[in-house]
Amino acid sequence: GAVVSQHPSWVICKSGTSVKIECRSLDFQATTMFWYRQFPKQSLMLMATSNEGSKATYEQGVEKDKFLINHASLTLSTLTVTSAHPEDSSFYICSARDPSASYEQYFGPGTRLTVT
Amino acid sequence: AQSVTQLDSQVPVFEEAPVELRCNYSSSVSVYLFWYVQYPNQGLQLLLKYLSGSTLVKGINGFEAEFNKSQTSFHLRKPSVHISDTAEYFCAVSERNAGNMLTFGGGTRLMVKP
Repeated sequence: GAVVSQHPSWVICKSGTSVKIECRSLDFQATTMFWYRQFPKQSLMLMATSNEGSKATYEQGVEKDKFLINHASLTLSTLTVTSAHPEDSSFYICSARDPSASYEQYFGPGTRLTVT
Repeated sequence: AQSVTQLDSQVPVFEEAPVELRCNYSSSVSVYLFWYVQYPNQGLQLLLKYLSGSTLVKGINGFEAEFNKSQTSFHLRKPSVHISDTAEYFCAVSERNAGNMLTFGGGTRLMVKP
């Protein structure tokens, strides 16, 4: 099946710094990728939809200036958490839509972000 | 707008016993339905999906689910669980022709005891 990778798998940063998380589709081209956030013992909340070559669509309540999303190629989307604060600590998961079966999303392994 | 409710946040069960994880959804249009499993500090793995056709869907690891349109349910079942099935399970729904936006339920933690 299709494989989606994320890098890094975990990261610790200091408050006020920025962190970039990469999401790659390894064996297919993904015109659409999704970014989710998951707090401990909670479900996944969609943050934004990333479309290759265009601006991301953010869900209500998600600060677009804080969570910068770039989908510069058909296999790579990045999420940059700018001026991170401890409350941004979370598990971030990306997924990519299968172009041959638009109802299917393939999920990355997630990135654990801890802001100190 | 669609919504998904997983009625049980935790389900403890003994090894080799059967289990059912409940999922109900709400939508004004036809939907696709999914069950995912998440192991600690990992992403989501697809267990099974219902797109159309037979309402009984079989997935990986011996799991199956039945789509019940009248009750708007998609309960997940396994006749005999193993310790390795201990994980978080998420039910999700996607409205057809809606850009494949997934809405997740709150999750059910399955705890299999020896």
